Amino acid sequence: GENVEQHPSTLSVQEGDSAVIKCTYSDSASNYFPWYKQELGKRPQLIIDIRSNVGEKKDQRIAVTLNKTAKHFSLHITETQPEDSAVYFCAASLQGGYSTLTFGKGTMLLVSP
Amino acid sequence: DAGVTQSPTHLIKTRGQQVTLRCSPKSGHDTVSWYQQALGQGPQFIFQYYEEEERQRGNFPDRFSGHQFPNYSSELNVNALLLGDSALYLCASSLAGDYTGELFFGEGSRLTVL
Repeated sequence: GENVEQHPSTLSVQEGDSAVIKCTYSDSASNYFPWYKQELGKRPQLIIDIRSNVGEKKDQRIAVTLNKTAKHFSLHITETQPEDSAVYFCAASLQGGYSTLTFGKGTMLLVSP
Repeated sequence: DAGVTQSPTHLIKTRGQQVTLRCSPKSGHDTVSWYQQALGQGPQFIFQYYEEEERQRGNFPDRFSGHQFPNYSSELNVNALLLGDSALYLCASSLAGDYTGELFFGEGSRLTVL
């Protein structure tokens, strides 16, 4: 089955700096790669996703890149703000209505004012 | 538009007991997946229900079972509870015919086994 590795496990940055979280996956058939943000005691919420026919996707301060050959994808957050502090999870799956997600172990991002 | 709702939000059980968790999917969704999230870990897939049948199952023992009702709501049952079953149980819904495959999560049911 699919295996997703995520690094780093914790990341501390100053407000305004950029943050990068990296993930690798094992199943070359995976073609859907979402990123979830989970605040303490809350549900995981989708913040951005990318599909295998796209190499990069951007949404305001957040961007995701995908390298299918190397089987890795990354989340980039620019101009970080204290409210970006949360746990971020990457995941991988086969796209489609029956898709099940395999998650990484998460990255705790701490943004200091 | 109601999102995914789960109940109860918190519960405490003792070892050996049984528990039932409930989930109502987002309006218009017909597929329900259950995930277990241990403290400090990412969610792990338990199983998925579609058309009242278990369609896929993760690496969880038979103590974990489920059901989906005609209105698409779902239950997760765990028998013979172990201390290691303490976790946040997340329900996620999706639409089988949706090409995007996007999952919508509920707030979860936090189970503590003493």
